[in-house]
Amino acid sequence: AQRVTQPEKLLSVFKGAPVELKCNYSYSGSPELFWYVQYSRQRLQLLLRHISRESIKGFTADLNKGETSFHLKKPFAQEEDSAMYYCASAGGNQFYFGTGTSLTVIP
Amino acid sequence: DTAVSQTPKYLVTQMGNDKSIKCEQNLGHDTMYWYKQDSKKFLKIMFSYNNKELIINETVPNRFSPKSPDKAHLNLHINSLELGDSAVYFCASSHLPTGAGSPLHFGNGTRLTVT
Repeated sequence: AQRVTQPEKLLSVFKGAPVELKCNYSYSGSPELFWYVQYSRQRLQLLLRHISRESIKGFTADLNKGETSFHLKKPFAQEEDSAMYYCASAGGNQFYFGTGTSLTVIP
Repeated sequence: DTAVSQTPKYLVTQMGNDKSIKCEQNLGHDTMYWYKQDSKKFLKIMFSYNNKELIINETVPNRFSPKSPDKAHLNLHINSLELGDSAVYFCASSHLPTGAGSPLHFGNGTRLTVT
């Protein structure tokens, strides 16, 4: 079975500091990996998918198959980045979400 | 022009009541889902339908019954509501079953409060 682990439930950084939200996955095949963001009391929105290899709102995420990780990074955090972030993997007809990391950017 | 729309946005009801949440998507997707987000923000899949057929049914009390009249709609009916049912329920859809890696598109959620 697939598993997605986000070890940090809460993460606080100062505005302008780099931020990294950790995500590890376990899957025997080739998973599709995603990051979703949920701003306060809003719906979940797709932020990134690994096959796109793009940067959205300054965020990037690289799939590291050796470490089975898909960490989300941004070099300079902004206050508007404060939100809940979910890592997810898809495969085997299922979507698996991590438990989420709540990011707070301190002004 | 919302892609995945749920109604109602807020639902406050008493224990023992029966209630329904409706979901509609206009994306032409084949697969629809219901997720439950609890007070700790954990997201858990409840059901998944592909072309009106149930494909995922996680361990959910049988008081919860999904109904899909057509592939654009997936409604959730809940009988005999309990305090523990209080949560935010998200509807979602995707173009293909998730095995193909199609991203999910979420609705705005329905905040259910059982008193």
